[in-house]
Amino acid sequence: GQQLNQSPQSMFIQEGEDVSMNCTSSSIFNTWLWYKQDPGEGPVLLIALYKAGELTSNGRLTAQFGITRKDSFLNISASIPSDVGIYFCAGQLGYNTDKLIFGTGTRLQVFP
Amino acid sequence: SQTIHQWPATLVQPVGSPLSLECTVEGTSNPNLYWYRQAAGRGLQLLFYSVGIGQISSEVPQNLSASRPQDRQFILSSKKLLLSDSGFYLCAWSVPGQGTRGYGYTFGSGTRLTVV
Repeated sequence: GQQLNQSPQSMFIQEGEDVSMNCTSSSIFNTWLWYKQDPGEGPVLLIALYKAGELTSNGRLTAQFGITRKDSFLNISASIPSDVGIYFCAGQLGYNTDKLIFGTGTRLQVFP
Repeated sequence: SQTIHQWPATLVQPVGSPLSLECTVEGTSNPNLYWYRQAAGRGLQLLFYSVGIGQISSEVPQNLSASRPQDRQFILSSKKLLLSDSGFYLCAWSVPGQGTRGYGYTFGSGTRLTVV
């Protein structure tokens, strides 16, 4: 199945550091979503982006919908231990489908 | 409010045994339903999705099947499990037509399947 290219694959950072991850595709997407998955749980929606160029924040999280509509990035500022988990981007290809394509995930570890 | 239930949480099954995982959604009607698999350390792979009772679309050829006997019930099955079927299985739902507003999916808490 199709998947989005997400990088980096994993990150090991110290508490308080900022984090940046991105997602790219060869296809144009109409919607970009960012999810976080805690260990042993299902992913939970963090941020949804609907327009090219849109910049949206949710607390310490900021995400942007790329101008080309082929990429998106997520930033986490001042990381804390509970930020640990796997972050997935997801994109919706067309207006006539609810199907989402998921990225390969970025595993984040935060050390105190 | 809408909730999604998935069970069991963990399952250890021998190779060749049958499988049945169940997912139910409450608080909504005619949801789109999805089964995903996540192999260890990997991303989410869409296995099946359903837009209505008895309507199942398969995304990848595999040893599994899905059924939707009721509006808010989605079942993942196998007649004979393979070692490669091990993984974390996630059920999800979405509101039809809301995809364009990007509300995305709501996921269940998953079933960790180990085939031994």
